[in-house]
Amino acid sequence: DADVTQTPRNRITKTGKRIMLECSQTKGHDRMYWYRQDPGLGLRLIYYSFDVKDINKGEISDGYSVSRQAQAKFSLSLESAIPNQTALYFCATSDSLVEQFFGPGTRLTVL
Amino acid sequence: DQQVKQNSPSLSVQEGRISILNCDYTNSMFDYFLWYKKYPAEGPTFLISISSIKDKNEDGRFTVFLNKSAKHLSLHIVPSQPGDSAVYFCAARPYSGGGADGLTFGKGTHLIIQP
Repeated sequence: DADVTQTPRNRITKTGKRIMLECSQTKGHDRMYWYRQDPGLGLRLIYYSFDVKDINKGEISDGYSVSRQAQAKFSLSLESAIPNQTALYFCATSDSLVEQFFGPGTRLTVL
Repeated sequence: DQQVKQNSPSLSVQEGRISILNCDYTNSMFDYFLWYKKYPAEGPTFLISISSIKDKNEDGRFTVFLNKSAKHLSLHIVPSQPGDSAVYFCAARPYSGGGADGLTFGKGTHLIIQP
C-alpha cells in the first residue's frame, strides 16, 4: 500500500463549488504539506502543518483553507473554486529530516 | 521572482552517456538542496540531497555538486539509462531556524534518454 494517498485522483467541478481534497499518510510523519503544480511550472507551497495544532500559510494560500484532522490526515479545501485553480495538487509528508515524500497527486479541473 | 531556476526545459542524452542537469538559486538562506524525479501521473520521488556545507554528495549513479559562491548546483547521472527519462526538479529548503518550511522548486527539466 502507498505511504501517502490522495483522494480523489481526478476531479472536475464548476466555478463556485466547494471542493475538498484529502490526504492520508501511514508514514507516521508529523509534517504535512500541500503543493500545486501548473503546466510548465514547479510545485508551489500552499499550506503546511508541523502537527495537529499547527497550520501555516505557504507561498500561495489565497483561496484555499486546510484542516489537520489527525496526524495522518491533512485536507485542502477550495471554498469557491475558480478556473485558475485548475492544477495538479500534491500532498507531502516529512519527518523533519531533509526529504519530503509525495502522494500521487490530484488533477483538479474547474470549469 | 524565481528563487530556484532550471533554465533548460529539456535535455536529450544518449543511453550510457552522462546526463548533467543544472540549477541556480538566488536565496542564500537555503540549507539543503534536493533533486526529485517525476514520471507522468505520479508524484515526485526523492533522488538525492546536499547540505549547504558540502560541495558533493554521491549515491550510486547520481552525484550532486554544489558551488555556493556561484549559487549553482548540478546533478550528474552516469551512466544514463532509459528509465532515467523523466522530469527532474531541483528544490531548496530554507534554514529551519527561521520557522519557515516547505520546499521551493524550480520549473523542472525534462530528461530524455535516447537509445
